[in-house]
Order: sequence, then structure tokens, then C-alpha cells
Amino acid sequence: SAVISQKPSRDICQRGTSLTIQCQVDSQVTMMFWYRQQPGQSLTLIATANQGSEATYESGFVIDKFPISRPNLTFSTLTVSNLSPEDSSIYLCSGLLSAEGRYGYTFGSGTRLTVV
Amino acid sequence: EDKVVQSPLSLVVHEGDTVTLNCSYEVTNFRSLLWYKQEKKAPTFLFMLTSSGIEKKSGRLSSILDKKELFSILNITATQTGDSAIYLCAVEAAGGTSYGKLTFGQGTILTVHP
Repeated sequence: SAVISQKPSRDICQRGTSLTIQCQVDSQVTMMFWYRQQPGQSLTLIATANQGSEATYESGFVIDKFPISRPNLTFSTLTVSNLSPEDSSIYLCSGLLSAEGRYGYTFGSGTRLTVV
Repeated sequence: EDKVVQSPLSLVVHEGDTVTLNCSYEVTNFRSLLWYKQEKKAPTFLFMLTSSGIEKKSGRLSSILDKKELFSILNITATQTGDSAIYLCAVEAAGGTSYGKLTFGQGTILTVHP
């Protein structure tokens, strides 16, 4: 299965600033996704990262707050903008591989964001 | 809206015990059900289930899916302290705008004491 390198692993940020998280996949994946896991909660899908075009956001998530890029099949970034303490969460990218008889999901190692 | 409910939400056992974790779901167009183990940040894959009644096994872990009753169970036998983690159940919808999206349950927090 594909391996996803995600960075940073953790960060502490001031209110009002932004944090950009990067995910690099070691092979081409069909689709890439970004999830948020708030403290004590499960994973919630933020958006689908589309190669070369605007991401597709889930209800409750907007581009101005969570701009996403995916310039090629193996790389994506998520920016969390205008940070507030409510943004303190774990952010995870995920890739879906669907090719040549192989099918499966892989997750990045996660970014733990604390906003102070 | 797709929905996944896990039970129990937390479970405390002693080493050697056997545990059963439950996952029920509602999904418009079901493709698969997945189980993950989350110890720190990243979920690690355990099983993907697509067919009813076929048990999947990996060491002390096993899982089965019932597509008629819309649930799955994850069994862990002879538990060890290293099994302590959050166990997540997710469903995958098939096709259309839901392709590739996973809906997760709340998770079961398993604590195994020595």
C-alpha cells in the first residue's frame, strides 16, 4: 500500500495565524482526502483534494478557512486559516489507491495542532 | 446522511480477556466497512469487509459483517496491553459523489490492564 509522509507532526500556533500541512505520497493515488479529529471525537471529512482544481468541501467546511491544493497526484496541502482555539485538532490526510487490482486507503501520520 | 454507531464507547479489560466491539451503520449505497486501530494520531488498517458472513482473521483479531442487519463486530482474543487503543469503524459508500469518502463512528476506547 502507499505510504504518506505528513508534516509537521505537531505545532502550536497563535490565534489569527495560519498553518499549512503537507502530505507527500510515495506513489500515485486515485484520490486524496483531508480529515479533522477534534479532541475526543472521531474523524470528520473536511474535503476531497482534486488534482489541478478546487477541492470539494463537505458541509460545514469552506475554502476560505481550509484552502487545499493538490498540484499533482502525489502531493497535497491543507491550510487552516485565521486560527482560533476551536481549530485545535488532529488533521489527517488520506489517500485512496484504486488501480491494477489493488484497492485500499492509507493515512498520513497526522498533525496535532494546538492554538493558543 | 450516512451514519456509523459504535458500542461500547469505552471498555476496560484485563490481559487475556476476549472483547467484542460493535459497529452498526446506515449508508445509502454500501461498498465496504473498514476497521482501524488508532494509538496516537494515524489510524492503522485492520480489515476491509465487503461480503456478509465471511470472517476475516489476523492473528488474535477477527471481524465479520452482516449486511442484512447492517452491523459488524471486531473480536480480539487473549488481549494484551498493546491492544489498548481507539478502534474505529468506517463505512465506504459506492460511486457518485460519495466515491472514496469514509464515514467514521465515534470509536471504542479499549484499555487493557496487565
